[in-house]
Amino acid sequence: DAKTTQPTSMDCAEGRAANLPCNHSTISGNEYVYWYRQIHSQGPQYIIHGLKNNETNEMASLIITEDRKSSTLILPHATLRDTAVYYCIVRSSHNTDKLIFGTGTRLQVFP
Amino acid sequence: DAGVTQSPTHLIKTRGQQVTLRCSPKSGHDTVSWYQQALGQGPQFIFQYYEEEERQRGNFPDRFSGHQFPNYSSELNVNALLLGDSALYLCASSLGLAGGWEQFFGPGTRLTVL
Repeated sequence: DAKTTQPTSMDCAEGRAANLPCNHSTISGNEYVYWYRQIHSQGPQYIIHGLKNNETNEMASLIITEDRKSSTLILPHATLRDTAVYYCIVRSSHNTDKLIFGTGTRLQVFP
Repeated sequence: DAGVTQSPTHLIKTRGQQVTLRCSPKSGHDTVSWYQQALGQGPQFIFQYYEEEERQRGNFPDRFSGHQFPNYSSELNVNALLLGDSALYLCASSLGLAGGWEQFFGPGTRLTVL
């Protein structure tokens, strides 16, 4: 079973920041938080991951609370192409560990 | 640099038949994982292959089997197809023991069982 809880759906206006929350209250000390997204009819795409520090890359920022029980994925300037299902995944530090997907958050970016 | 490729794109089978799906990993990757995604659900892990051996397996029956070849490509075989096997089958590649935290997914094979 997935170890994360996410809202089923969210809307965001184009050009605005999209903030996608995720709860992972049972996360262990050696487990990372990963985010993937899946655009319609495509395979999932890696976005970002982190352990306890905030992370930023060219796609997004990841904010992890100090107690690590929740996190927020931030898309700073959402575009229509960001419309997708976003999955928050807790994964062990072993780099061959499988990904356990939940049902994700369906983000709809509107004009 | 080609990413993960899968074939065929779509497939229609009838109950009781057998099917083989194929995956070529991203260049330089040696580990292949297979996932099943039912409509409206997140992908579910089937199994993972590394060094031509099954290393991890999810909660799927023995009807689901696989193989990895010396060139790291992989096949997923499903026997005695059921209606419930209709799904998008995703292949993901990664670096195994050499490191690499990111799994790259292919576009998937859409299997319909009638």
